[in-house]
Amino acid sequence: KAGVTQTPRYLIKTRGQQVTLSCSPISGHRSVSWYQQTPGQGLQFLFEYFSETQRNKGNFPGRFSGRQFSNSRSEMNVSTLELGDSALYLCASSPVAGARETQYFGPGTRLLVL
Amino acid sequence: AQSVTQLDSQVPVFEEAPVELRCNYSSSVSVYLFWYVQYPNQGLQLLLKYLSGSTLVESINGFEAEFNKSQTSFHLRKPSVHISDTAEYFCAVSSEGTALIFGKGTTLSVSS
Repeated sequence: KAGVTQTPRYLIKTRGQQVTLSCSPISGHRSVSWYQQTPGQGLQFLFEYFSETQRNKGNFPGRFSGRQFSNSRSEMNVSTLELGDSALYLCASSPVAGARETQYFGPGTRLLVL
Repeated sequence: AQSVTQLDSQVPVFEEAPVELRCNYSSSVSVYLFWYVQYPNQGLQLLLKYLSGSTLVESINGFEAEFNKSQTSFHLRKPSVHISDTAEYFCAVSSEGTALIFGKGTTLSVSS
């Protein structure tokens, strides 16, 4: 099976712009989670989707939003970009939602905000 | 709220030496515990996890971790490391109804 794919892999934006990142989970996986990874804060949970419904949300401002489509693909959007949004954004999928589930991570999208 | 503390941000060791990466968690409910590894320029991959049962869990590449409820710890060990074990290691905790919470990571550097 193909792994989790994320597009684009690299992105450069300027402050105030918005960005949309895409994640395609492993075939058959219905749960998708998003994480932000930075050197200072480490890995921080953004949100989790299962069957097109948001199950959990991390402590991020409303500028960060996401959605999941009927084919389980997911997008996250960040509006009004700030310099501090520069990070590696990781997507992970699992067959079903649940605290016991192993997360399968994609390679990430590296976002640089200038 | 749950939290994870990885006590060492960097651990340098020589090849074939033993290593222990320390992880402590705080939670008021039953937890599930995970170790993930991230190689350079890659996403994370699961190394091992504790869900229930035997407190000692092992991975296929020689790592093991022991769940210690009284000390709220889940330390990762390997008796003899290889150069290829050089990576960043993340401890994580979850419980029913919550998201996966990660520690800040430990960079393991193995040199010859």
